[in-house]
Amino acid sequence: AQSVTQLDSHVSVSEGTPVLLRCNYSSSYSPSLFWYVQHPNKGLQLLLKYTSAATLVKGINGFEAEFKKSETSFHLTKPSAHMSDAAEYFCVVSGTSGTYKYIFGTGTRLKVLA
Amino acid sequence: NAGVTQTPKFQVLKTGQSMTLQCAQDMNHEYMSWYRQDPGMGLRLIHYSVGAGITDQGEVPNGYNVSRSTTEDFPLRLLSAAPSQTSVYFCAARQLYGYTFGSGTRLTVV
Repeated sequence: AQSVTQLDSHVSVSEGTPVLLRCNYSSSYSPSLFWYVQHPNKGLQLLLKYTSAATLVKGINGFEAEFKKSETSFHLTKPSAHMSDAAEYFCVVSGTSGTYKYIFGTGTRLKVLA
Repeated sequence: NAGVTQTPKFQVLKTGQSMTLQCAQDMNHEYMSWYRQDPGMGLRLIHYSVGAGITDQGEVPNGYNVSRSTTEDFPLRLLSAAPSQTSVYFCAARQLYGYTFGSGTRLTVV
């Protein structure tokens, strides 16, 4: 069975400081992993995806994530937070091969302080 | 190109009422799914479809029905609404290596 754990339900950073949102996954085979962002009262937007190509994945708005198989992690980072980054972030692992099911983490709410 | 369109955006139902949440996509994707989002629980899969005429249950299917008569449309039906179905519902269509989500339907059952 596959699962994903987001280690922090809330993260607060000051504007201009680095962002780290942590995600660990469990998968019996090579997974596809994703990060989505949801701004208040909005739908979900794809930030980036890992699909067994380069382990360092660059996404939109300056975000990136590194796939570390040995640590079963897929942490999301950004060098410098912006006020507009305040949102909820979801780490997602794809389901059983061939079914395309997504398994969502419980989300991390990022707060950016002025 | 609208992507995935959900209607309505907001709905209030009384317990026991029925309704259909509409979802339409214009991307010709075979795979579509319905999720519900509840605080602290992420998104949970209700039902999904791998193509017209083919549907299957997800993680939390009880109280919901779906059908897929065309590639474009994937409606979600609540036959007898319960307060536990108060949630935000998202429809999604799968594109290569990722999903496109609709903007959601916020449903309140009183």
